[in-house]
Amino acid sequence: GAGVSQSPSNKVTEKGKDVELRCDPISGHTALYWYRQRLGQGLEFLIYFQGNSAPDKSGLPSDRFSAERTGESVSTLTIQRTQQEDSAVYLCASSFVPTRQGYTGELFFGEGSRLTVL
Amino acid sequence: AQSVTQLDSHVSVSEGTPVLLRCNYSSSYSPSLFWYVQHPNKGLQLLLKYTSAATLVKGINGFEAEFKKSETSFHLTKPSAHMSDAAEYFCVAPWPSGGSYIPTFGRGTSLIVHP
Repeated sequence: GAGVSQSPSNKVTEKGKDVELRCDPISGHTALYWYRQRLGQGLEFLIYFQGNSAPDKSGLPSDRFSAERTGESVSTLTIQRTQQEDSAVYLCASSFVPTRQGYTGELFFGEGSRLTVL
Repeated sequence: AQSVTQLDSHVSVSEGTPVLLRCNYSSSYSPSLFWYVQHPNKGLQLLLKYTSAATLVKGINGFEAEFKKSETSFHLTKPSAHMSDAAEYFCVAPWPSGGSYIPTFGRGTSLIVHP
């Protein structure tokens, strides 16, 4: 498709289970971002990929969170041993690689994966 | 340090009246700045962006924003609110991190439009 695709759109899981969230960016977009949005709150940066390397993992909340990206395409965000506070919408966005002068590109967002941890 | 500060968590207006959503940024260089809109149960969409060209930027749906370096502001305005404008609005600026620039979101402003 032409846009950013995320799956699953909804995931309900039990506390302690592992979950995998998938993001398929726009073809040709080398930059990929994961954000978390808790109910009624803003977007919290999690991790950024440039190609398949992650220069900035500073936003990952704990070592239960990890992410990887294959080449310049699909990325997966994995949350191990889920906790109730992990409940949120996880948003993926892609863009052209930032320029050396700074970021000037538009972010293209997927619809998000809504995670509910019971 | 916060990259962008949205001064109001909620703004309530009547249909047909002007809209002002405030954003201040903190940066040591001339930034790129963006406004995104998030309608209920929909994805985020770019409203407009400033990239060092004209200081008055026009976006979709009649919105515009003015970059004021002296005030480090990038407020979003619309002359006349419509019911369909009710949504969450986010001001976004790049923030240096790990050798790159991360698009950093303000906390958001919820625009409520009364009939």
